[in-house]
Amino acid sequence: DAEITQSPRHKITETGRQVTLACHQTWNHNNMFWYRQDLGHGLRLIHYSYGVQDTNKGEVSDGYSVSRSNTEDLPLTLESAASSQTSVYFCASSELGITADTQYFGPGTRLTVL
Amino acid sequence: ILNVEQSPQSLHVQEGDSTNFTCSFPSSNFYALHWYRWETAKSPEALFVMTLNGDEKKKGRISATLNTKEGYSYLYIKGSQPEDSATYLCLNSGYSTLTFGKGTMLLVSP
Repeated sequence: DAEITQSPRHKITETGRQVTLACHQTWNHNNMFWYRQDLGHGLRLIHYSYGVQDTNKGEVSDGYSVSRSNTEDLPLTLESAASSQTSVYFCASSELGITADTQYFGPGTRLTVL
Repeated sequence: ILNVEQSPQSLHVQEGDSTNFTCSFPSSNFYALHWYRWETAKSPEALFVMTLNGDEKKKGRISATLNTKEGYSYLYIKGSQPEDSATYLCLNSGYSTLTFGKGTMLLVSP
């Protein structure tokens, strides 16, 4: 069965370190998304991609970057981790455009920045 | 940035009660309204997506309606069961934006 996976599921890092969170989907979806979930804010869009070599900034993109070198993967990089980036991160994918299509979510990665 | 509001923030009902939640959104820059169900320790799962004013969707005991002119959507659960306990999220997708509400947390007691 097609799925979307994230790794690691839990990560503890220190302030200033570079961290990369992996997202891999086997749906063959063109569109992939990264969200963060924080108390009092719900899910907020960080970056998204419509396809290979395409990346776009979301609502809270500062301090994060993504790259899309193939259809299956959209890794999220924190260039210099900050305590404010402690959060739960969800990756999602969809087949059609950003707007009307259902998104399928990964299991999430809990990141703690000390 | 679109402002998507959900109410109530949380709700506690007894098994068998029917309930409903509201999602309000700016009617400008609207393309679709999605509802997701999010159980604790799991990932959000899609319930419905609606695009047209007056749209109504139904899946079992859960249904949803959409009013794009006034900018709101209702989610209804008929005869709530303990397994309906979850957070229900709405998502307003515009032409280049995706904005989730903060969710309504539903607890159904046996």
